[in-house]
Amino acid sequence: DGGITQSPKYLFRKEGQNVTLSCEQNLNHDAMYWYRQDPGQGLRLIYYSQIVNDFQKGDIAEGYSVSREKKESFPLTVTSAQKNPTAFYLCASSRQVESYGYTFGSGTRLTVV
Amino acid sequence: GQQVMQIPQYQHVQEGEDFTTYCNSSTTLSNIQWYKQRPGGHPVFLIQLVKSGEVKKQKRLTFQFGEAKKNSSLHITATQTTDVGTYFCAGTTDKLIFGTGTRLQVFP
Repeated sequence: DGGITQSPKYLFRKEGQNVTLSCEQNLNHDAMYWYRQDPGQGLRLIYYSQIVNDFQKGDIAEGYSVSREKKESFPLTVTSAQKNPTAFYLCASSRQVESYGYTFGSGTRLTVV
Repeated sequence: GQQVMQIPQYQHVQEGEDFTTYCNSSTTLSNIQWYKQRPGGHPVFLIQLVKSGEVKKQKRLTFQFGEAKKNSSLHITATQTTDVGTYFCAGTTDKLIFGTGTRLQVFP
């Protein structure tokens, strides 16, 4: 079955460490996105990518970095510069940016200890 | 900046009662999408509305897009415990902006 796979499901990080969240899709979607969700809150856009080797900053890109070397993959690195990284991170994809419904992965819960 | 607000923030209903959540944008939207997120889960796409005044139904769910394309609503008839979750609208201007969400709790 086609879908989006995020790993790991839970991740613990020490302060000052960088950590990379994986996102892989086999839906042949062109666009991919990273969102952050805090408890009881909505979704805030971190980065998005419309095509391979190109990506754009979202509303809260500071302290994060991404790459899009393959169509299927869009990893997110949470750097030590992100002041409050504990959150639920969701990856999504769609056929085109800002069009059609998004398909979300099951998310990664990151906790800084 | 562009904002999409939803009300209410929380709604508790008795099973069998109806439920409505409202979505309001500060700018005109080209389309509106609705998602459902179960507790501990991820958002799942429900539907997209494109035309002014459009109404779509999915079983007990009725979705409406306002005439001015700045607001939308989701109405659930005769709620069931399986309807529990947070419902998000998401509107497109030059990018997709998610609303703040309405958390629905259904008591049996």
